[in-house]
Amino acid sequence: ETGVTQSPTHLIKTRGQQVTLRCSSQSGHNTVSWYQQALGQGPQFIFQYYREEENGRGNFPPRFSGLQFPNYSSELNVNALELDDSALYLCASSLPAGGQETQYFGPGTRLLVL
Amino acid sequence: AQSVTQPDIHITVSEGASLELRCNYSYGATPYLFWYVQSPGQGLQLLLKYFSGDTLVQGIKGFEAEFKRSQSSFNLRKPSVHWSDAAEYFCAVADQAGTALIFGKGTTLSVSS
Repeated sequence: ETGVTQSPTHLIKTRGQQVTLRCSSQSGHNTVSWYQQALGQGPQFIFQYYREEENGRGNFPPRFSGLQFPNYSSELNVNALELDDSALYLCASSLPAGGQETQYFGPGTRLLVL
Repeated sequence: AQSVTQPDIHITVSEGASLELRCNYSYGATPYLFWYVQSPGQGLQLLLKYFSGDTLVQGIKGFEAEFKRSQSSFNLRKPSVHWSDAAEYFCAVADQAGTALIFGKGTTLSVSS
């Protein structure tokens, strides 16, 4: 069974740039969620994708957008990067079951915005 | 709105001693509760979860947690801590829509020899 993978592992961008982060879900999982973890904080929910549609969104501005592909892999795109976007971005995959399914996390992508 | 509070930011425990990490949640209905562990520079690994039934749940690595509805708590315990348990521990509750996990701010566990 293949776990959740994310790429790249680290990324440095400058303010105003755009970034794309990628996630491959665990085998058999059709739901992908993205979280932002700022330094010293718990992860915060950005959004979830199920069958290529957004299935819930946290309190993040529209410049955070996503995609899910037919193979259930996913991308997180962030436009007009701000310094506060520096964080660890975590992807989690699961099967949808109204909260009863466990979300399995990848190792994350650490983004630094200068 | 749902929320999770982990009152202890940092705890130091001697190797071999027992451990209890506190977690309090705010949720109107029956909560789905989770404990995750994060080692430095790593993602989150699930330790255990509570959905319903027996209020004492067993997890991996010798951890257990007890759900107490009357106290809105889901504390994590381990009878004997190993140096490899040093990490960041997060308690989480699933939101009402069943999509998002709402995390506490975490507790950093240090293990002294």
